[in-house]
Amino acid sequence: RKEVEQDPGPFNVPEGATVAFNCTYSNSASQSFFWYRQDCRKEPKLLMSVYSSGNEDGRFTAQLNRASQYISLLIRDSKLSDSATYLCVVNLQRDNQAGTALIFGKGTTLSVSS
Amino acid sequence: GAGVSQSPSNKVTEKGKDVELRCDPISGHTALYWYRQSLGQGLEFLIYFQGNSAPDKSGLPSDRFSAERTGGSVSTLTIQRTQQEDSAVYLCASSSISNLYEQYFGPGTRLTVT
Repeated sequence: RKEVEQDPGPFNVPEGATVAFNCTYSNSASQSFFWYRQDCRKEPKLLMSVYSSGNEDGRFTAQLNRASQYISLLIRDSKLSDSATYLCVVNLQRDNQAGTALIFGKGTTLSVSS
Repeated sequence: GAGVSQSPSNKVTEKGKDVELRCDPISGHTALYWYRQSLGQGLEFLIYFQGNSAPDKSGLPSDRFSAERTGGSVSTLTIQRTQQEDSAVYLCASSSISNLYEQYFGPGTRLTVT
């Protein structure tokens, strides 16, 4: 089983739509969770961290379910500029060292059309 | 301020040759990471450096791969006797001690082994 699994999509939605992405992770030792965004042929950029209590940043809402090892991202009122690949990312703590590797899912592609 | 820079941006090499890829992290960032992204694949962790600690090399795919970080700043990833399966985009990222989990990525080096 892959460490981080996502539905690759693509998700094709009209402007203004609400879209949700899901992700599961296999390692229960994972401590930190993120969504990164990657535009075509560009480097990934942090979109938002994901906290156990759920968190919101404008039109974006992220949720974490540790019991189910499940992470979600909800985008409301989609914009053309939201078109990108969304990467689900978990961070694996190794021993007691700070600074850890990121484990990336393959990403979910979103295309927003007018 | 300046972001993470990488050089070269593109590298074409013949199978069996050695290559060196360079990364300049954001000034003051103590953690530096190397990842690679193959066509249609997710980002794959290779190695990371954190301050003066021994690097975590657990992601390196073979002993043909090595990396150094001199003076706690610039890093070089070396691939010896390149193979066609080494073709990928090699991405470097750095993060600060105050937020090790927010990694800033460079634009990557696209390596093609012919």
